[in-house]
Amino acid sequence: VQLVESGGDLVQPGGSLRLSCAASGFSFSSFAMNWVRRAPGKGLEWVAGISGSGSSTYYSDSVKGRFTISRDNSENTLFLQMNSLTVEDAALYYCAKDSWEFPEYYFDCWGQGTLVTVSS
Amino acid sequence: DIQMTQSPSTLSASVGDRVTITCRASQSISRWLAWYQEKPGKAPKLLIYKASTLETGVPSRFSGSGSGTEFTLTISSLQPDDFATYFCQQYNTYSRTFGQGTKLEIK
Repeated sequence: VQLVESGGDLVQPGGSLRLSCAASGFSFSSFAMNWVRRAPGKGLEWVAGISGSGSSTYYSDSVKGRFTISRDNSENTLFLQMNSLTVEDAALYYCAKDSWEFPEYYFDCWGQGTLVTVSS
Repeated sequence: DIQMTQSPSTLSASVGDRVTITCRASQSISRWLAWYQEKPGKAPKLLIYKASTLETGVPSRFSGSGSGTEFTLTISSLQPDDFATYFCQQYNTYSRTFGQGTKLEIK
């Protein structure tokens, strides 16, 4: 099982960014997927989750209305569209596989993360 | 959101020591708790889920216990590879939350 994130970059406040996570080694569509982040000097924060089919999505209050999680099960890829970015969104973003079909359990596989920097 | 509080934040120990890390939840989470190990530059690794179930491949020197609001992770005999950061995570609700982490250092 492997998860490889990409798309992290330096972006200005108010800007947008799209993160990707390429998955391999498991039946991608059978498991929920999540984005988890760690801001500099802070703890881990769950950001968003999506069901295996993609029909159900869940967000933390801190990103609701600004971020959109999606997935392409034909390409085994997870996405996070981030809009209206603020300096508080700067973090290392991890892709994390849920342990079952809906994003409600623990994370049994994580990627190494992709870095998002928000600065003018 | 459910708040998770870990203690201690840093722990100094020697190879062969038995160590215990505590995680407390702000409300009851039954046994819906996981423990992870993290090393610099590497992906976090699942160690234990449902408070005490060892993930496949994790050495038996790791164990977890607890229910409700108080949980512990114990390493029975520290090995050099165990010096890392450990954090807990509750999954009582879909809005999963994490402890702030415990850094296990070599004494």
